[in-house]
Amino acid sequence: DTAVSQTPKYLVTQMGNDKSIKCEQNLGHDTMYWYKQDSKKFLKIMFSYNNKELIINETVPNRFSPKSPDKAHLNLHINSLELGDSAVYFCASTPLLRRNTEAFFGQGTRLTVV
Amino acid sequence: EDQVTQSPEALRLQEGESSSLNCSYTVSGLRGLFWYRQDPGKGPEFLFTLYSAGEEKEKERLKATITKKESFLHITAPKPEDSATYLCAVGAMKKLTFGTGTRLTIIP
Repeated sequence: DTAVSQTPKYLVTQMGNDKSIKCEQNLGHDTMYWYKQDSKKFLKIMFSYNNKELIINETVPNRFSPKSPDKAHLNLHINSLELGDSAVYFCASTPLLRRNTEAFFGQGTRLTVV
Repeated sequence: EDQVTQSPEALRLQEGESSSLNCSYTVSGLRGLFWYRQDPGKGPEFLFTLYSAGEEKEKERLKATITKKESFLHITAPKPEDSATYLCAVGAMKKLTFGTGTRLTIIP
């Protein structure tokens, strides 16, 4: 009964490859997010989608392209992977317009670019 | 721009030894201060939300408090299972700004 699930959990790939990370939430939430956590554990927002519409894009290189086929899914596609893309990527979701913004995070995808 | 600074970076306590974690923040109009717990290899797990100075929230051995400039996570008589990284964040969920966390280790 995982609320926010990401696949894969681990991803090792070579520089220059294109890869995708998938995220699904079964909470009925309207808003989904991608966060990046670097080696120093700093967690920073990348994208936010509300009902399939992009509402936040935090100066992320355009090699990163989020796609939301429906409000329960938010995928992250990365083109031409670079060494600096190595990090843990977290998907999260929350109900929109609720003051009590309890966010649910996925387990993370550890991306290693070699 | 919202900023969050957490201290200490790491804290080791003996089981039963109470202490506090600090989260200093600057934000243009507080829309919520959030505490999360993160275990190794897992995503952050929500603990508390605080909305205004003077507010307090409690859950088991944890108590969160907040002033206009900082928030504290007080841990009373901690147990080894409280070992984790504790993250503080400010802002509404449209954009959360996180601190780098405090890595807490409780020694049996």
